[in-house]
Amino acid sequence: DGGITQSPKYLFRKEGQNVTLSCEQNLNHDAMYWYRQDPGQGLRLIYYSQIVNDFQKGDIAEGYSVSREKKESFPLTVTSAQKNPTAFYLCATEGGGETQYFGPGTRLLVL
Amino acid sequence: AQSVTQLDSHVSVSEGTPVLLRCNYSSSYSPSLFWYVQHPNKGLQLLLKYTSAATLVKGINGFEAEFKKSETSFHLTKPSAHMSDAAEYFCVVSVWRGYSTLTFGKGTMLLVSP
Repeated sequence: DGGITQSPKYLFRKEGQNVTLSCEQNLNHDAMYWYRQDPGQGLRLIYYSQIVNDFQKGDIAEGYSVSREKKESFPLTVTSAQKNPTAFYLCATEGGGETQYFGPGTRLLVL
Repeated sequence: AQSVTQLDSHVSVSEGTPVLLRCNYSSSYSPSLFWYVQHPNKGLQLLLKYTSAATLVKGINGFEAEFKKSETSFHLTKPSAHMSDAAEYFCVVSVWRGYSTLTFGKGTMLLVSP
């Protein structure tokens, strides 16, 4: 985990609601990533950002949105368009050398 | 394109016996390879990384992995399992395309019995 924090640890979403997951880092890393993890599967990339004010879609971006207004922060919004949002969400950073470091994760559950 | 196959979804060992977690990969480029460990409801922790230097890579907690290009394998081993090793392990291949693109295996759950 190191210098990456994710909050909240658990999040509950009601039908039709948008929710935002927080990811903050103090590692001074330029690149940040959001992944989704489902049981029995590896991680899948949602969005990534290499620099402030720039971000790109990953493999499964539909129903999600992000912003990168500060180097330290990369929040993920799960919108009502995401029909199957229940999953474990992991934020990662990378400061060069291809190694990504992961936060502790947020578990999103649907009420 | 790259892919990763972890050959066992579950591996069971007794405490004090050796651990072998198997991983095969394919990549069109010279990849970097990683092993990460995940304890329940936690983030992923880096165990070790291969980046075309020594083929035998030593990691944390006594784990090591050997890169075999001819077999496209990157198996993870530990001489003696400890109860605290029980977790899920992910083999990951990375290709640099201006940013690191990680492809994850589906994971191997390591069970350690007393």
